[in-house]
Amino acid sequence: GAGVSQSPSNKVTEKGKDVELRCDPISGHTALYWYRQRLGQGLEFLIYFQGNSAPDKSGLPSDRFSAERTGESVSTLTIQRTQQEDSAVYLCASSQQGVIYGYTFGSGTRLTVV
Amino acid sequence: SQKIEQNSEALNIQEGKTATLTCNYTNYSPAYLQWYRQDPGRGPVFLLLIRENEKEKRKERLKVTFDTTLKQSLFHITASQPADSATYLCALDDGSARQLTFGSGTQLTVLP
Repeated sequence: GAGVSQSPSNKVTEKGKDVELRCDPISGHTALYWYRQRLGQGLEFLIYFQGNSAPDKSGLPSDRFSAERTGESVSTLTIQRTQQEDSAVYLCASSQQGVIYGYTFGSGTRLTVV
Repeated sequence: SQKIEQNSEALNIQEGKTATLTCNYTNYSPAYLQWYRQDPGRGPVFLLLIRENEKEKRKERLKVTFDTTLKQSLFHITASQPADSATYLCALDDGSARQLTFGSGTQLTVLP
């Protein structure tokens, strides 16, 4: 597609519920990243996928967070048993080959846990 | 510990002047440093990438410098316009060229 697409754009959920966020990267981009941005703060790295290599999960804050990617296409980020501190904008980005190319970000999913 | 610091959370300048934003880092040996622009409610947009062996890079009204001795990058916008108002983020890799770590950003306001 023309850009990175994320859905939903907004999600309000009750504490304790599970949520699933979706990211459609740019076709042909082998690298895909998830970041979290809390209000007024910088981007916090969550997870990185590169082709068929094992993902770099070093940024996931707890075992309630998980992510999958099917080949070089769609990725889903799942948060189980959501907590209020999970409220943030979740940003997905893709690039051609890691950091040597600039990232293209989606507009993010704004998650609010009430 | 590793740290990325961007100068002052907010910077106000007059239209037509040059805006200079600073990115300092400690305990990194990045191969690349990147600058992004972020508007409210949007994801960051890639502006420029500079490699560790490059001193300076330009793109239209934008100029980036990279000093690996000082561990600092400067981002300049010349002939600034109100449309340049946004938050600017620097980002660098940890030497692995796998993923970027972002600074918290500087909010630039160009006053007409």
